[in-house]
Amino acid sequence: DAGITQSPRHKVTETGTPVTLRCHQTENHRYMYWYRQDPGHGLRLIHYSYGVKDTDKGEVSDGYSVSRSKTEDFLLTLESATSSQTSVYFCAISPGQGKYGYTFGSGTRLTVV
Amino acid sequence: QQQVKQSPQSLIVQKGGIPIINCAYENTAFDYFPWYQQFPGKGPALLIAIRPDVSEKKEGRFTISFNKSAKQFSLHIMDSQPGDSATYFCAASITSNQFYFGTGTSLTVIP
Repeated sequence: DAGITQSPRHKVTETGTPVTLRCHQTENHRYMYWYRQDPGHGLRLIHYSYGVKDTDKGEVSDGYSVSRSKTEDFLLTLESATSSQTSVYFCAISPGQGKYGYTFGSGTRLTVV
Repeated sequence: QQQVKQSPQSLIVQKGGIPIINCAYENTAFDYFPWYQQFPGKGPALLIAIRPDVSEKKEGRFTISFNKSAKQFSLHIMDSQPGDSATYFCAASITSNQFYFGTGTSLTVIP
Protein backbone atom coordinates (compact mmCIF):
# COMPACT_ATOMS: atom_id res chain seq x y z
CA ASP A 1 0.00 0.00 0.00
CA ALA A 2 1.35 3.35 -1.01
CA GLY A 3 2.96 5.29 1.82
CA ILE A 4 2.92 2.58 4.45
CA THR A 5 5.14 -0.47 4.72
CA GLN A 6 5.08 -3.29 7.23
CA SER A 7 7.95 -5.66 7.91
CA PRO A 8 8.35 -8.53 7.98
CA ARG A 9 5.40 -9.79 5.92
CA HIS A 10 5.58 -13.23 7.47
CA LYS A 11 7.22 -14.53 10.61
CA VAL A 12 7.30 -17.77 12.53
CA THR A 13 8.61 -17.61 16.06
CA GLU A 14 8.77 -19.79 19.13
CA THR A 15 6.75 -19.36 22.29
CA GLY A 16 8.52 -17.17 24.82
CA THR A 17 10.68 -15.23 22.38
CA PRO A 18 10.39 -11.46 21.88
CA VAL A 19 9.22 -10.29 18.48
CA THR A 20 9.22 -6.81 16.96
CA LEU A 21 7.10 -5.76 14.00
CA ARG A 22 7.81 -2.55 12.14
CA CYS A 23 5.55 -0.06 10.47
CA HIS A 24 7.05 2.68 8.30
CA GLN A 25 5.11 5.54 6.69
CA THR A 26 6.09 8.21 4.21
CA GLU A 27 2.89 10.29 4.55
CA ASN A 28 3.97 12.29 7.61
CA HIS A 29 0.67 11.39 9.30
CA ARG A 30 0.42 12.10 12.99
CA TYR A 31 -1.57 9.05 14.00
CA MET A 32 -0.41 5.46 13.74
CA TYR A 33 -2.16 2.30 14.92
CA TRP A 34 -1.57 -1.39 15.41
CA TYR A 35 -4.48 -3.78 14.94
CA ARG A 36 -4.73 -7.53 15.00
CA GLN A 37 -7.14 -9.42 12.80
CA ASP A 38 -8.58 -12.74 13.86
CA PRO A 39 -11.48 -14.78 12.47
CA GLY A 40 -14.69 -13.97 14.30
CA HIS A 41 -13.22 -10.87 15.92
CA GLY A 42 -12.63 -8.51 13.03
CA LEU A 43 -9.96 -5.92 13.70
CA ARG A 44 -9.06 -5.05 17.26
CA LEU A 45 -6.89 -2.15 18.34
CA ILE A 46 -3.71 -3.03 20.22
CA HIS A 47 -1.97 0.34 20.65
CA TYR A 48 -1.91 3.64 18.89
CA SER A 49 0.29 6.71 18.70
CA TYR A 50 -0.70 10.35 18.36
CA GLY A 51 2.81 11.70 18.00
CA VAL A 52 6.47 10.97 18.60
CA LYS A 53 6.78 9.26 21.98
CA ASP A 54 3.03 9.65 22.55
CA THR A 55 1.25 6.32 22.69
CA ASP A 56 -1.81 4.81 24.32
CA LYS A 57 -3.41 1.42 24.80
CA GLY A 58 -6.21 -0.10 22.78
CA GLU A 59 -8.65 -2.82 23.74
CA VAL A 60 -6.22 -5.76 23.47
CA SER A 61 -2.91 -4.33 24.67
CA ASP A 62 -1.87 -7.00 27.19
CA GLY A 63 1.40 -8.65 26.16
CA TYR A 64 2.28 -5.92 23.68
CA SER A 65 4.34 -2.75 23.85
CA VAL A 66 5.00 -0.04 21.28
CA SER A 67 7.49 2.69 20.58
CA ARG A 68 7.57 5.65 18.29
CA SER A 69 10.86 7.52 18.24
CA LYS A 70 10.31 9.07 14.81
CA THR A 71 7.20 10.25 13.01
CA GLU A 72 7.64 7.65 10.30
CA ASP A 73 8.23 4.53 12.41
CA PHE A 74 5.93 2.70 14.83
CA LEU A 75 7.20 -0.53 16.37
CA LEU A 76 5.10 -3.25 17.97
CA THR A 77 6.85 -5.64 20.35
CA LEU A 78 5.52 -8.89 21.69
CA GLU A 79 7.47 -9.14 24.89
CA SER A 80 7.21 -12.93 25.21
CA ALA A 81 5.24 -14.42 22.34
CA THR A 82 2.40 -16.83 23.08
CA SER A 83 0.32 -19.00 20.76
CA SER A 84 -2.68 -16.73 21.38
CA GLN A 85 -0.75 -13.97 19.63
CA THR A 86 -0.73 -15.90 16.36
CA SER A 87 -2.58 -13.47 14.13
CA VAL A 88 -2.35 -11.06 11.24
CA TYR A 89 -1.14 -7.67 12.39
CA PHE A 90 -2.02 -4.50 10.55
CA CYS A 91 -0.57 -1.07 10.91
CA ALA A 92 -2.71 1.91 9.95
CA ILE A 93 -2.10 5.63 9.61
CA SER A 94 -4.37 8.64 9.75
CA PRO A 95 -3.87 12.37 9.37
CA GLY A 96 -6.35 13.22 12.09
CA GLN A 97 -8.60 12.03 14.81
CA GLY A 98 -11.84 10.06 14.69
CA LYS A 99 -13.50 11.22 11.49
CA TYR A 100 -10.69 10.43 9.11
CA GLY A 101 -10.39 7.06 7.44
CA TYR A 102 -7.37 4.90 7.95
CA THR A 103 -4.82 3.77 5.42
CA PHE A 104 -3.77 0.23 6.26
CA GLY A 105 -0.55 -1.57 5.50
CA SER A 106 -0.50 -5.01 3.89
CA GLY A 107 -0.14 -6.83 7.17
CA THR A 108 2.28 -9.15 8.94
CA ARG A 109 1.26 -12.77 9.39
CA LEU A 110 2.77 -13.96 12.68
CA THR A 111 2.74 -17.57 13.75
CA VAL A 112 3.85 -18.50 17.27
CA VAL A 113 4.71 -22.20 17.62
CA GLN B 1 -18.15 -6.97 24.06
CA GLN B 2 -18.62 -6.28 20.38
CA GLN B 3 -19.33 -2.57 19.92
CA VAL B 4 -20.44 -3.05 16.32
CA LYS B 5 -22.36 -6.16 15.30
CA GLN B 6 -22.14 -7.18 11.65
CA SER B 7 -24.16 -9.68 9.65
CA PRO B 8 -24.16 -11.92 7.75
CA GLN B 9 -20.81 -13.61 8.23
CA SER B 10 -20.77 -14.72 4.61
CA LEU B 11 -22.81 -13.97 1.53
CA ILE B 12 -22.99 -15.48 -1.95
CA VAL B 13 -24.76 -13.68 -4.79
CA GLN B 14 -24.99 -13.97 -8.54
CA LYS B 15 -23.39 -11.36 -10.75
CA GLY B 16 -25.73 -8.39 -11.03
CA GLY B 17 -27.35 -9.06 -7.67
CA ILE B 18 -27.47 -6.58 -4.79
CA PRO B 19 -25.74 -7.91 -1.69
CA ILE B 20 -26.66 -6.15 1.55
CA ILE B 21 -24.47 -6.18 4.64
CA ASN B 22 -25.88 -4.94 7.93
CA CYS B 23 -24.32 -3.42 11.02
CA ALA B 24 -25.79 -2.37 14.35
CA TYR B 25 -24.36 -0.39 17.23
CA GLU B 26 -25.39 0.70 20.71
CA ASN B 27 -23.21 3.70 21.49
CA THR B 28 -25.11 6.79 20.38
CA ALA B 29 -21.91 8.81 20.64
CA PHE B 30 -20.59 7.21 17.46
CA ASP B 31 -20.53 9.83 14.74
CA TYR B 32 -18.57 8.36 11.85
CA PHE B 33 -19.33 5.09 10.11
CA PRO B 34 -16.90 3.85 7.46
CA TRP B 35 -16.90 0.66 5.41
CA TYR B 36 -13.70 -1.10 4.46
CA GLN B 37 -13.05 -3.61 1.68
CA GLN B 38 -10.33 -6.21 2.05
CA PHE B 39 -8.93 -8.54 -0.59
CA PRO B 40 -6.93 -11.64 0.38
CA GLY B 41 -3.40 -10.82 1.43
CA LYS B 42 -4.09 -7.09 1.56
CA GLY B 43 -4.96 -4.60 4.22
CA PRO B 44 -8.46 -3.16 4.46
CA ALA B 45 -9.12 -0.15 2.24
CA LEU B 46 -11.61 2.60 2.93
CA LEU B 47 -14.59 2.18 0.62
CA ILE B 48 -17.21 4.69 1.72
CA ALA B 49 -18.20 6.45 4.93
CA ILE B 50 -21.23 8.24 6.35
CA ARG B 51 -22.02 10.59 9.20
CA PRO B 52 -25.29 10.37 11.14
CA ASP B 53 -26.71 13.62 9.81
CA VAL B 54 -27.56 11.94 6.47
CA SER B 55 -29.62 8.84 5.78
CA GLU B 56 -27.93 7.69 2.59
CA LYS B 57 -24.68 8.10 0.73
CA LYS B 58 -23.77 6.79 -2.71
CA GLU B 59 -20.39 6.40 -4.33
CA GLY B 60 -20.53 4.61 -7.63
CA ARG B 61 -22.18 1.21 -7.11
CA PHE B 62 -21.79 1.38 -3.32
CA THR B 63 -24.51 2.84 -1.10
CA ILE B 64 -24.66 3.24 2.67
CA SER B 65 -28.08 3.46 4.26
CA PHE B 66 -28.17 4.85 7.77
CA ASN B 67 -31.02 4.57 10.29
CA LYS B 68 -30.14 6.68 13.31
CA SER B 69 -33.23 5.79 15.35
CA ALA B 70 -32.63 2.07 14.88
CA LYS B 71 -28.87 2.46 15.34
CA GLN B 72 -28.25 0.47 12.18
CA PHE B 73 -26.44 1.03 8.92
CA SER B 74 -25.98 -1.10 5.87
CA LEU B 75 -23.91 -1.41 2.71
CA HIS B 76 -25.58 -2.14 -0.62
CA ILE B 77 -23.58 -3.07 -3.70
CA MET B 78 -25.50 -2.42 -6.89
CA ASP B 79 -24.93 -4.58 -9.99
CA SER B 80 -22.37 -6.68 -8.13
CA GLN B 81 -19.40 -8.05 -10.07
CA PRO B 82 -17.00 -10.95 -9.43
CA GLY B 83 -14.31 -8.33 -8.70
CA ASP B 84 -16.36 -7.22 -5.68
CA SER B 85 -15.63 -10.58 -4.02
CA ALA B 86 -13.86 -9.57 -0.83
CA THR B 87 -14.35 -9.23 2.89
CA TYR B 88 -16.22 -6.14 4.02
CA PHE B 89 -15.93 -4.53 7.44
CA CYS B 90 -18.13 -1.89 8.94
CA ALA B 91 -16.75 0.37 11.66
CA ALA B 92 -17.79 3.16 13.96
CA SER B 93 -15.94 5.85 15.84
CA ILE B 94 -16.29 8.90 17.98
CA THR B 95 -13.68 11.60 18.16
CA SER B 96 -11.67 9.54 20.57
CA ASN B 97 -9.30 8.25 17.98
CA GLN B 98 -10.49 4.66 18.16
CA PHE B 99 -12.48 2.80 15.57
CA TYR B 100 -14.56 -0.23 16.48
CA PHE B 101 -14.83 -2.77 13.68
CA GLY B 102 -17.46 -5.36 12.90
CA THR B 103 -16.42 -8.98 12.51
CA GLY B 104 -16.49 -8.88 8.72
CA THR B 105 -18.59 -10.32 5.89
CA SER B 106 -17.06 -12.53 3.24
CA LEU B 107 -18.78 -11.75 -0.07
CA THR B 108 -18.59 -14.04 -3.09
CA VAL B 109 -20.06 -12.90 -6.39
CA ILE B 110 -20.60 -15.79 -8.78
CA PRO B 111 -20.12 -15.01 -12.49
